[in-house]
Amino acid sequence: DAGITQSPRYKITETGRQVTLMCHQTWSHSYMFWYRQDLGHGLRLIYYSAAADITDKGEVPDGYVVSRSKTENFPLTLESATRSQTSVYFCASGTVLNTGELFFGEGSRLTVL
Amino acid sequence: AQSVTQLDSQVPVFEEAPVELRCNYSSSVSVYLFWYVQYPNQGLQLLLKYLSGSTLVESINGFEAEFNKSQTSFHLRKPSVHISDTAEYFCAVSETGTASKLTFGTGTRLQVTL
Repeated sequence: DAGITQSPRYKITETGRQVTLMCHQTWSHSYMFWYRQDLGHGLRLIYYSAAADITDKGEVPDGYVVSRSKTENFPLTLESATRSQTSVYFCASGTVLNTGELFFGEGSRLTVL
Repeated sequence: AQSVTQLDSQVPVFEEAPVELRCNYSSSVSVYLFWYVQYPNQGLQLLLKYLSGSTLVESINGFEAEFNKSQTSFHLRKPSVHISDTAEYFCAVSETGTASKLTFGTGTRLQVTL
């Protein structure tokens, strides 16, 4: 089915471990984004990508790494997870032509113990 | 850089009553404005957007928002809410020219009860 999918939907890990959250979209949208959602903070942009091999930092990039070797995939890696990275992570995609309409995945709930 | 303030974290309202969710923004340049809705355990969905033209924009399910440049506001309204409108609502802003890079507010939880 067409759309944007995230995996895993739920993940529990321990401090210091590496975690990768996957994001895949089938629309060939040029833009992809990673947000984290925390109570009292709303959604905050971690990283975004305007096209394959082009990525840029958002508001809260520290502790995260992204890559975009293919247009449809945009994985987010926590190289050494910390408790403060416990959050719900949303991937989104969009095109410049749609001017602001982002399509969100269902989220990945990450708990770091 | 732009910012968004949603003044109410929670808004309880009875079914069929009117509701207004407030949103104010700050930016030194021209902006686009958006309202997104998040139903429980789901991602966000675009509800409506203002890009240019008429300052009053409407959604397909009865919500409307008015862009007020002088007050830097984009409040969301509905004259009569339904139980199914219970959700989290996020106001967002982007600078014109970087339309896909949104800055979100902290969200307002709309709780509709009988």
